[in-house]
Amino acid sequence: QVQLQESGPGLVKSSGTLSLSCAVSGGSISSSDWWSWVRQPPGKGLEWIGEIYHSGSTNYNPSLKSRVTISVDKSRNRLSLKLASVTAADTAVYYCAAGQLVNGFDPWGQGILVTVSS
Amino acid sequence: QSALTQPPSASGSPGQSVAISCTGTSSDVGAYGSVSWYQQHPGKAPKLMIYGVSKRPSGVPDRFSGSKSGNTASLTVSGLQADDEADYYCSSYAGSNNLVFGGGTKLTVL
Repeated sequence: QVQLQESGPGLVKSSGTLSLSCAVSGGSISSSDWWSWVRQPPGKGLEWIGEIYHSGSTNYNPSLKSRVTISVDKSRNRLSLKLASVTAADTAVYYCAAGQLVNGFDPWGQGILVTVSS
Repeated sequence: QSALTQPPSASGSPGQSVAISCTGTSSDVGAYGSVSWYQQHPGKAPKLMIYGVSKRPSGVPDRFSGSKSGNTASLTVSGLQADDEADYYCSSYAGSNNLVFGGGTKLTVL
């Protein structure tokens, strides 16, 4: 069973860039169709950020597209998320997850809380 | 793209059945057979319970079932158990390689 683990700074300064990694273990990152990032502000609902195929093809949420970059490093079996020009509204728990948009996400990582400070 | 609409809360007694609705539009829920449901316990990651409107991943009890009519999807939990108390989120493919989530429903087992 594939397992996912997010990592990165828990605190990012406002107007800076949020950078997170998601390590894939128990299987190859090339074995799943797509990999997504999803976030959840404290006490609020889920928001899909974007997805990447192991070949490098990406799709992004239109509301975040101008600030988001998702990439994959097959040699290290991990994917990455960069979110530019962050504000307090970007404070959230960030999850990585496996699966296609049409078939649901399974499994998910445990999530990492990122706080944007002024 | 607007979020899907879910009731903020739902409740039921142990053994009873409860249904949670998820209302979208003809551009998402109504257009595609790609509605998923997630269970999230406090402090934990979401867990896929239903995909493709009514399909259950391996290991999910058959007490959980999904359906769709028009622009509204529903998750029904039968034979409520204490551990079913959690937040539930729906999601739907929205076309153009985009996905939308519902706002979530807090299920309380009385």
